[in-house]
Amino acid sequence: NAGVTQTPKFQVLKTGQSMTLQCAQDMNHEYMSWYRQDPGMGLRLIHYSVGAGITDQGEVPNGYNVSRSTTEDFPLRLLSAAPSQTSVYFCASSYSKGRLFFGEGSRLTVL
Amino acid sequence: AQKVTQAQTEISVVEKEDVTLDCVYETRDTTYYLFWYKQPPSGELVFLIRRNSFDEQNEISGRYSWNFQKSTSSFNFTITASQVVDSAVYFCALSEEGLREKLTFGTGTRLTIIP
Repeated sequence: NAGVTQTPKFQVLKTGQSMTLQCAQDMNHEYMSWYRQDPGMGLRLIHYSVGAGITDQGEVPNGYNVSRSTTEDFPLRLLSAAPSQTSVYFCASSYSKGRLFFGEGSRLTVL
Repeated sequence: AQKVTQAQTEISVVEKEDVTLDCVYETRDTTYYLFWYKQPPSGELVFLIRRNSFDEQNEISGRYSWNFQKSTSSFNFTITASQVVDSAVYFCALSEEGLREKLTFGTGTRLTIIP
């Protein structure tokens, strides 16, 4: 049972570089989302999607881009990395009633 | 706008003691959902419980219990006879009926159980 798979688990970038965090789920969940976790700030919603072709912004969307071309995949793109984007990123999916299934997280460091 | 407050940043208790983690929420909706998640040192996020706003019954699951009180907008979590394996960061979260999956999280409480 793969569940929600995030890659890579660790990444170091230089300021200004771009990259994509991959997220895939095999549970046929309609809802997917990305959160970032920073010390003392809990988890904050970046972007979410309620189905293929539909995305919307969360609380902290600036500097990130998403797309949802299939039910399974929900990649998160950093357009021009900044040190403020150093964080742990979690992808999650859900089938209903709010219970989220999380990936293992991706730790990103921007130098 | 919805908001979740976990005022306790860190708590340490000696093993076998009981401990309560506080969660206070704000929402304008009459229908909403409350959650607790656990994040052990390994880093994954583990779902513990979901409650909807119409169900104020307290829930018990083994050593874990939850006290939901709409009158005080609180959803507190108690661990009885704590164990070292309970050491983790615990997050309370809230979502509203319009989009149940869009969770707003509190800042978390780091619980350390001292052997």
